[in-house]
Amino acid sequence: QQQVKQSPQSLIVQKGGISIINCAYENTAFDYFPWYQQFPGKGPALLIAIRPDVSEKKEGRFTISFNKSAKQFSLHIMDSQPGDSATYFCAARVENYGQNFVFGPGTRLSVLP
Amino acid sequence: ETGVTQSPTHLIKTRGQQVTLRCSSQSGHNTVSWYQQALGQGPQFIFQYYREEENGRGNFPPRFSGLQFPNYSSELNVNALELDDSALYLCASSLVGGRTDTQYFGPGTRLTVL
Repeated sequence: QQQVKQSPQSLIVQKGGISIINCAYENTAFDYFPWYQQFPGKGPALLIAIRPDVSEKKEGRFTISFNKSAKQFSLHIMDSQPGDSATYFCAARVENYGQNFVFGPGTRLSVLP
Repeated sequence: ETGVTQSPTHLIKTRGQQVTLRCSSQSGHNTVSWYQQALGQGPQFIFQYYREEENGRGNFPPRFSGLQFPNYSSELNVNALELDDSALYLCASSLVGGRTDTQYFGPGTRLTVL
C-alpha cells in the first residue's frame, strides 16, 4: 500500500516532442505528490508538485495531471529538450506529521537532439 | 543551489565498520529526512528528525540511527556495515508547519562498502 508504481522505466523522445511519465498509487492517505528531477551525481531537485484537490497543474513546460478516482498521476514535458535528459521520480507523501515521502523507481529520459 | 550540504562526498568502508554521514539543512528549515538510494532505484525513506527527535522511520534496521542538533543539522550513523549498504545517502530538509511542503535534497554521500 505504501508503493508508488512508475512507468515507463526508460523513455527516448526527440527534441521538441512530448515526454509522458505515469505513476499510480494505492494508499488514499497520500496527500501531496511531487515530481523530482535527478541528474547523475546530484540529489533530486523538486520539479513540480500537486495536491489531490487539483486535477492539473502547469509550470512552464511541465504539467502534472492528477486523477484521484483512478489513483494515477502523470508528468507531461512539452517541447522536450536535450537538457531535460535526466531521471525523473514521482513521489507521494504519507498524510501524517512529517515529511515521509515514498518514491517511484524512476524513469530515465533521454531527449535526442 | 538548495542550501542543503552533505559531507563527505564519497566514502569507502569495509564490511563491519561504522560510518557517520553529516547534513546541514537549509536555513530556516526545522526537519531533516534521510534517504538511501541504491543504484538505479528511487530513494527509500530511512527516518526523519524534527526538533531533535526521530519523527517517523522507514523499514530500516536499528543499526541505522541518527541525530539532529539544535541548529537542525543532522547525522546518520550506520553500524556493522554490510555490502548492501553501498548506496547514495541523501539528506533532505524542509519546514514543517510552514506554508510549503517542499523538501530540498542535498547532493548526497556515496558510500561504498567493500
